Amino acid sequence: EAGVVQSPRYKIIEKKQPVAFWCNPISGHNTLYWYLQNLGQGPELLIRYENEEAVDDSQLPKDRFSAERLKGVDSTLKIQPAELGDSAVYLCASSLGIEDTQYFGPGTRLTVL
Amino acid sequence: GNSVTQMEGPVTLSEEAFLTINCTYTATGYPSLFWYVQYPGEGLQLLLKATKADDKGSNKGFEATYRKETTSFHLEKGSVQVSDSAVYFCAFLDNYGQNFVFGPGTRLSVLP
Repeated sequence: EAGVVQSPRYKIIEKKQPVAFWCNPISGHNTLYWYLQNLGQGPELLIRYENEEAVDDSQLPKDRFSAERLKGVDSTLKIQPAELGDSAVYLCASSLGIEDTQYFGPGTRLTVL
Repeated sequence: GNSVTQMEGPVTLSEEAFLTINCTYTATGYPSLFWYVQYPGEGLQLLLKATKADDKGSNKGFEATYRKETTSFHLEKGSVQVSDSAVYFCAFLDNYGQNFVFGPGTRLSVLP
């Protein structure tokens, strides 16, 4: 069975440019998470979806970050415009439900110059 | 607020040494507790979990016991291998099932 797929794996952009990350969760998983992981730190939740509904986006900086999960399957996380401090690894995870095991994708490493 | 504290790394051990990585948490109620591992170049994966007090999670020779009285979930392994070199994250899910919180991670290096 395929795991959580993320693309791209690496992205280098200049500040003020837009960037988008894509996630394809494990088939049948209703819950999808986007995390931000800074170097040497644990993942921090940005947003959680139950199907197509964002049920927890309290940590998402809404002035520049946006996310969507159309049809309750794939999800896209966007940053516009990117800032130097956005350089990090962006992780996507999915699970059957909130209390079930989360499966993580390999992440997208973003570098903002 | 909710938080997880882990022992600082990096932890460097020789092969076959005993491993302990301490983890304590601050949360309301009775959270579920997890250890995730991130091998070099790979995504996080669940190592083990425990959902109620005194439960012991185990996998791949690793163990951790849910200690409610000390709010701890220390990770142990009796004999580490080079292939155990990775970053280990302690985490919990609060008992409302709403907040999933990770610790900062502890890097383990096992030398042959």
